[in-house]
Amino acid sequence: DAGVIQSPRHEVTEMGQEVTLRCKPISGHNSLFWYRQTMMRGLELLIYFNNNVPIDDSGMPEDRFSAKMPNASFSTLKIQPSEPRDSAVYFCASSSGLGASEQYFGPGTRLTVT
Amino acid sequence: DQQVKQNSPSLSVQEGRISILNCDYTNSMFDYFLWYKKYPAEGPTFLISISSIKDKNEDGRFTVFLNKSAKHLSLHIVPSQPGDSAVYFCAASAISGNKLVFGAGTILRVKS
Repeated sequence: DAGVIQSPRHEVTEMGQEVTLRCKPISGHNSLFWYRQTMMRGLELLIYFNNNVPIDDSGMPEDRFSAKMPNASFSTLKIQPSEPRDSAVYFCASSSGLGASEQYFGPGTRLTVT
Repeated sequence: DQQVKQNSPSLSVQEGRISILNCDYTNSMFDYFLWYKKYPAEGPTFLISISSIKDKNEDGRFTVFLNKSAKHLSLHIVPSQPGDSAVYFCAASAISGNKLVFGAGTILRVKS
């Protein structure tokens, strides 16, 4: 298995532009997580899905952020409009089953908003 | 409100010596704990875990200790190797839940 796949690996955009980050989870995993990593706050959970349904989006910073999972093999995290403070590394992770279990992370997308 | 705290931003250790990384938590509902390792430009990878029914779990050079009364866990690496240099994240979860809460991470540098 190729593991969790994220694209793009790097994104540089100007303030106000729309940004879309993409994730393909490990085949067979039914939970998908979006995280943001910053120096100040470490790894923060933004939202997670179970069986393609959003379960907890309490970590989504504000209405500018939205996430979708149209099917078991694809998810997007969208920021519209983007702001410089959104600059961070965004990770997608997937896991199998309910309950605490090991999550497998993708390589991340480094977002820079100028 | 940081429910999982790693109070040491960085740690430097000589090769061959023991590395001890610490983690504290505040939520008494947490009953499953994990350590992840992260290299630059890569995603975190699972290292070792422990459930609250145990106070120690060992895997090769890595041992995690859990002190429930103190709400404290630690990761011991013996002996430390230069390849262990990475960021280490502590994470916690309630077994009944599905989400992990991560600490801010500790940068470990192992000097040769």
